[in-house]
Amino acid sequence: DAKTTQPTSMDCAEGRAANLPCNHSTISGNEYVYWYRQIHSQGPQYIIHGLKNNETNEMASLIITEDRKSSTLILPHATLRDTAVYYCIVRVTNTGNQFYFGTGTSLTVIP
Amino acid sequence: EAGVTQSPTHLIKTRGQQVTLRCSPISGHTSVYWYQQALGLGLQFLLWYDEGEERNRGNFPPRFSGRQFPNYSSELNVNALELEDSALYLCASSLAGQHSPDTQYFGPGTRLTVL
Repeated sequence: DAKTTQPTSMDCAEGRAANLPCNHSTISGNEYVYWYRQIHSQGPQYIIHGLKNNETNEMASLIITEDRKSSTLILPHATLRDTAVYYCIVRVTNTGNQFYFGTGTSLTVIP
Repeated sequence: EAGVTQSPTHLIKTRGQQVTLRCSPISGHTSVYWYQQALGLGLQFLLWYDEGEERNRGNFPPRFSGRQFPNYSSELNVNALELEDSALYLCASSLAGQHSPDTQYFGPGTRLTVL
């Protein structure tokens, strides 16, 4: 699976949009971009995934650049409960099916 | 719909002992995955079971083993516990097996402490 690069930490003011970037310059054509988050000592929570097109669900939006070498997870109105470590993962489905979690971005939402 | 469940929540063992952790996947999911997350570290893949068979394992010694039952629930067994086995053990399940894009849904984890 392709390697991802994320900032170690970010802050965001409560009520503002949180934009979390991810670089995956070696992504292959059949690799999906997944985002998970982990609130302290809990199991990771699935947020969203996409292949080429931008995606939106009730939690977030995923913007993937046209060349697919980077993406941005957008939390439109961050709340204190969004404070967590956010993991960007690129993954192809025929390599053992496990996810390779990196170190992620620690997002702190500030009141 | 119930999510992935794991038991027990917490566990304390001593070095050399054996432990069994349990996981029940989301109803209808056939694949189960086990991950280890040591304190302050990322998730490390342990094992993947699908349709009752071990499909892949991570870079862990053989004393880490498991199985998947006909109802798709799973056990993770760790023999001869060592201090560095202290970690949060996470189970995830997914609908698809080997050939489709899938999303893994995680349980709350079992916190194992080895003294």
